[in-house]
Amino acid sequence: DAKTTQPNSMESNEEEPVHLPCNHSTISGTDYIHWYRQLPSQGPEYVIHGLTSNVNNRMASLAIAEDRKSSTLILHRATLRDAAVYYCILSNTNAGKSTFGDGTTLTVKP
Amino acid sequence: NAGVTQTPKFQVLKTGQSMTLQCAQDMNHEYMSWYRQDPGMGLRLIHYSVGAGITDQGEVPNGYNVSRSTTEDFPLRLLSAAPSQTSVYFCASSYREGDTKQYFGPGTRLTVT
Repeated sequence: DAKTTQPNSMESNEEEPVHLPCNHSTISGTDYIHWYRQLPSQGPEYVIHGLTSNVNNRMASLAIAEDRKSSTLILHRATLRDAAVYYCILSNTNAGKSTFGDGTTLTVKP
Repeated sequence: NAGVTQTPKFQVLKTGQSMTLQCAQDMNHEYMSWYRQDPGMGLRLIHYSVGAGITDQGEVPNGYNVSRSTTEDFPLRLLSAAPSQTSVYFCASSYREGDTKQYFGPGTRLTVT
């Protein structure tokens, strides 16, 4: 199964943009890139996903490298409520399972 | 919709006891899965199901059984609880695997003494 690599932790100031990187050098052509976040004592929450093109939604943007070996989750204006663990995972319709890594712990400073 | 529900929220077991963690979803999702999360760690896939009657193993299946007799329910059974199974267990569902988002339940916090 293709794996993802993320930094253990990142810090941001409130109301500034945050770029969370993810490497997935062994991604296959049918793997979708998903991002989830987990607030303390809660289950993971979907953020965004994409296949090849960049994606935007009300929560964030997803920038996917042209070779698809890396991606970046962009929070345009971080708030204190965005402090969470962010997981980048690969999900494949044919594989039937997706695996989470240890994620990036985002700290947002006021 | 209630989404994904899990019961119980908390459970304490003694070593060797068995129990079933319940998971249900009302979104008519085909794909369901169970994860465990140890303190300070990410989620690890235990078992998953791509539809009623079909289950398969994830990364850490030993000590757990699952069944999927209906689309709505996906119970996780601990056969003989061990302290190493102390963890938070999350159930998730999605319309299908791959290009659709997963919805997670609130979790079951299990302690095995």
